[in-house]
Amino acid sequence: GEDVEQSLFLSVREGDSSVINCTYTDSSSTYLYWYKQEPGAGLQLLTYIFSNMDMKQDQRLTVLLNKKDKHLSLRIADTQTGDSAIYFCAESISNAGNMLTFGGGTRLMVKP
Amino acid sequence: SAVISQKPSRDICQRGTSLTIQCQVDSQVTMMFWYRQQPGQSLTLIATANQGSEATYESGFVIDKFPISRPNLTFSTLTVSNMSPEDSSIYLCSVDGLAVQETQYFGPGTRLLVL
Repeated sequence: GEDVEQSLFLSVREGDSSVINCTYTDSSSTYLYWYKQEPGAGLQLLTYIFSNMDMKQDQRLTVLLNKKDKHLSLRIADTQTGDSAIYFCAESISNAGNMLTFGGGTRLMVKP
Repeated sequence: SAVISQKPSRDICQRGTSLTIQCQVDSQVTMMFWYRQQPGQSLTLIATANQGSEATYESGFVIDKFPISRPNLTFSTLTVSNMSPEDSSIYLCSVDGLAVQETQYFGPGTRLLVL
């Protein structure tokens, strides 16, 4: 069955890079996503990567996908206090329509 | 991406009562989804709502407890029936993406506290 796992918590200093990791078990994932949830808000789609890609860069965000190890990471360069939030990785599977399976979320705390 | 709104944004309810949450999208979408996010937890899919058909419920969720309507391509409601404190959660609707295949865009959520 599907299982997506993340570490619970990450603390970094402002200006440093943050790396949030995610592992998944279903090898038939088609897309993998990173969502951001700020306190009291809904989920915001940050970025996504197609399963046949290794890397995707979007401004301060870099997504790395190791399909062999089923490992996904999100790197945030020059982390700012406004990046403090919960980050969820999610996968969609080609034979499950538009269904998403979410990880438990990683709470990122950025210290000034 | 679609603009999604939910009403109410938050509510405090007494046990035994019911609450209907509305989700409105600014464009026509095929699939709408309802999720529950319990305190400190990740998202759990309750059901998928397609216009013109019965909602499809995930394991552990039943229509009597969470009836869903989908009268048109831009609107859906989720009712939380006969509430208990265990129903205190954030309820989020989402829609299938128009620009990126297989992604979903989320509403701001409805924060429910049941006393």
